Amino acid sequence: NAGVTQTPKFRVLKTGQSMTLLCAQDMNHEYMYWYRQDPGMGLRLIHYSVGEGTTAKGEVPDGYNVSRLKKQNFLLGLESAAPSQTSVYFCASSELPGSGNTIYFGEGSWLTVV
Amino acid sequence: KNEVEQSPQNLTAQEGEFITINCSYSVGISALHWLQQHPGGGIVSLFMLSSGKKKHGRLIATINIQEKHSSLHITASHPRDSAVYICAVSYYGGSQGNLIFGKGTKLSVKP
Repeated sequence: NAGVTQTPKFRVLKTGQSMTLLCAQDMNHEYMYWYRQDPGMGLRLIHYSVGEGTTAKGEVPDGYNVSRLKKQNFLLGLESAAPSQTSVYFCASSELPGSGNTIYFGEGSWLTVV
Repeated sequence: KNEVEQSPQNLTAQEGEFITINCSYSVGISALHWLQQHPGGGIVSLFMLSSGKKKHGRLIATINIQEKHSSLHITASHPRDSAVYICAVSYYGGSQGNLIFGKGTKLSVKP
């Protein structure tokens, strides 16, 4: 049972480069999320999706785009990376939150923009 | 303004000690989550609760809805319990699917 899988785990980018983080879940969850985690701050929501073909902005969406073409996959894109996007990125999935459903996280993706 | 406050921020304990981590929140919530994050690792859900108390092994989580407060207790602590413990809430009126996270409590258990 793989749960939530993120790729890549580590990446170093130059300013201005683009990249895509892939999140895959095998639990048939409707809800998927991308968070970033920075020192001294709680996890912050970048974008989320409530089902295949849907996406919505979270707390810190600027500089990121997402797509949910298939229910099991949620992609996070950086079109033109900036040093401020150096962070640890976590993908998560769940059924309807707050209704007795556990949220499952991936292992994290460490991104450095130089 | 952080709507989820955890205390303490850092905690060092000796193996075998009883540990308590606190979480206070300011909004009406539908559920509260306790998460565990090991260094360099992913995040694991320990508990999801909306009332009362839950127990799993040496871990106990309680919540007081009226006081907007939750506690995570670890009995007979062990060095492998060393991790960051994060409180998160699902709240009424928020964006669908959103959780508000505390900044975490870093626990170090010495042998």
